[in-house]
Amino acid sequence: DTGVSQNPRHKITKRGQNVTFRCDPISEHNRLYWYRQTLGQGPEFLTYFQNEAQLEKSRLLSDRFSAERPKGSFSTLEIQRTEQGDSAMYLCASSEPLDLLAKNIQYFGAGTRLSVL
Amino acid sequence: RKEVEQDPGPFNVPEGATVAFNCTYSNSASQSFFWYRQDCRKEPKLLMSVYSSGNEDGRFTAQLNRASQYISLLIRDSKLSDSATYLCVVRENYGGSQGNLIFGKGTKLSVKP
Repeated sequence: DTGVSQNPRHKITKRGQNVTFRCDPISEHNRLYWYRQTLGQGPEFLTYFQNEAQLEKSRLLSDRFSAERPKGSFSTLEIQRTEQGDSAMYLCASSEPLDLLAKNIQYFGAGTRLSVL
Repeated sequence: RKEVEQDPGPFNVPEGATVAFNCTYSNSASQSFFWYRQDCRKEPKLLMSVYSSGNEDGRFTAQLNRASQYISLLIRDSKLSDSATYLCVVRENYGGSQGNLIFGKGTKLSVKP
């Protein structure tokens, strides 16, 4: 499978615990995005990387959230001291380099569904 | 005002019907527009890009009106398999927010036999 891969698919945790999710993008894609989606809403942008550089973070990304992409390949999203409001689907997407000619289509992984009890 | 607005539906239509979804966006400088499809508890998948001249892909036709900041999707001869949530998506300025996608809440379509 050469698509975007996310692990784990599901995570159940107790409030206050830390969780980490992993995303493996399509191999030739240098851009990687994280989104959060709650029931009845569209995905909301959290942050994105170009290679290993984190270039933008949404105001939704509180101090308890941190994302890394150390080698410019896979990325991790960590949530510290989880709260019930963190329960959501966390989606990762990747795309080719952005230029004027590229459509910059973002391809999504299947997501990690987080439930905070 | 929400950046991308859609009627959430649900739209319940019989097989073979023609159905149209509309979407408005607030950022007049937005560069690119898309329709994504999302099945229940699955990831969004690109249905089609939307071009100023309008574009068609089989039973699906997308239109963009930049003056009115309005995007539409028309599905003809709807199939049971078209049942899904359709997300209107706008990409922010190239060189500004670097390609971040802004999603609407989605319009739910249910095609009945």
